[in-house]
Amino acid sequence: EIVLTQSPVTLSVSPGEGATLSCRASQNIRGDLAWYQQKPGQAPRLLIYDAINRATGIPARFSGRGSGTDFTLTISSLEPEDFGVYYCQHRFNWPPGFGQGTKLEIK
Amino acid sequence: EVQLVESGGGLVRPGGSLRLSCVASEITFRSVSMNWVRQAPGKGLEWIASITSSSNKIYYADSVKGRFTISRDNAKNSLYLQMNSLRGEDTAVYYCVRFSASDYWGHGTLVTVSS
Repeated sequence: EIVLTQSPVTLSVSPGEGATLSCRASQNIRGDLAWYQQKPGQAPRLLIYDAINRATGIPARFSGRGSGTDFTLTISSLEPEDFGVYYCQHRFNWPPGFGQGTKLEIK
Repeated sequence: EVQLVESGGGLVRPGGSLRLSCVASEITFRSVSMNWVRQAPGKGLEWIASITSSSNKIYYADSVKGRFTISRDNAKNSLYLQMNSLRGEDTAVYYCVRFSASDYWGHGTLVTVSS
């Protein structure tokens, strides 16, 4: 089973600043990685699929990079609505597991 | 746009059973794999089960294997999760999900296992 480890656990950032979230896989998953954003009381929202592709309607300030075992999600200039919990998920094989999440909070 | 609507959650005693349903609004449901993902209160996301379009391949997380059964009825655009021998740690919001480049998630249905 592939394990995804996200870092940091919590990230405090001021609006307007950039943020970089990391996700490391325990084995090579090529580019089969997705990123989600979740806000309290809501279902997760897909941001990035196949490591680098923005989902429909996702602003250009969100970008994904990486392949193999190391991946990053970068938010170039944080808007107030960007705060929440971010999860990575691999889709390389079964089970399609999730990372434990990074909480992005307002500084 | 595809909509997924879950139902069937509620309060159940440990050892009890519950059946969740998910109805999809689009006919393309019958051609795609579907999944259940859950989230315990204050915790992260946990994938628990998947089923292919023709039901010929089914996968479970170890945490639910032998207790939960995923199934589907393509004629009714419906996905199901039969949950038996429920435990306190099964308390969670259960989401019906189609993983894709677009992704579709239901709003979730809360299952509470408590005496």
